[in-house]
Amino acid sequence: KNQVEQSPQSLIILEGKNCTLQCNYTVSPFSNLRWYKQDTGRGPVSLTIMTFSENTKSNGRYTATLDADTKQSSLHITASQLSDSASYICVVDTGTASKLTFGTGTRLQVTL
Amino acid sequence: KAGVTQTPRYLIKTRGQQVTLSCSPISGHRSVSWYQQTPGQGLQFLFEYFSETQRNKGNFPGRFSGRQFSNSRSEMNVSTLELGDSALYLCASSLSPRLSSYNEQFFGPGTRLTVL
Repeated sequence: KNQVEQSPQSLIILEGKNCTLQCNYTVSPFSNLRWYKQDTGRGPVSLTIMTFSENTKSNGRYTATLDADTKQSSLHITASQLSDSASYICVVDTGTASKLTFGTGTRLQVTL
Repeated sequence: KAGVTQTPRYLIKTRGQQVTLSCSPISGHRSVSWYQQTPGQGLQFLFEYFSETQRNKGNFPGRFSGRQFSNSRSEMNVSTLELGDSALYLCASSLSPRLSSYNEQFFGPGTRLTVL
């Protein structure tokens, strides 16, 4: 069964600190892996997209890594800001919108 | 370029009623997908439309239906509402169904449906 598991479920960090979110998947076939940021009550916004051959991708303070052999990905947030407070969703894409497998997300709260 | 828009943003209905949600994709995008998001289940695929044709349907009962118009705008309808239908309904658009780094999927803000 295709699954995407994320950890931790929730996380609280102080502003300015770094954090790493994890994503393990058992999805096949694999086309690409996406990380989305979703603010409360809003739609998800794409942060990074990585194909099988890419093992790291950055978008500002967000850096995603992918290990296709172990089927693991991580999202590292550097120098967190209050605006980083959101849910972060890992999505494995088999190539079509109908075949996206979503993780249940990590809820991040950045505090002063 | 305007993003994906969804109307209404919030909706309150009672059990047994029906509801219609609307989605306008990004200009030029012909593929529209609908998702249901609940705290317990996360995002779940409902259906996908491309060029007015339903290409794929998720594992939801027949009470959930949709359609796409010639201008790519899409509607989804839920009949005989149940309490468990309370969720955030998200619409996403892309140029075509085949997603890639060059054909991303963009989400709308969602419609928050509450069934009492």
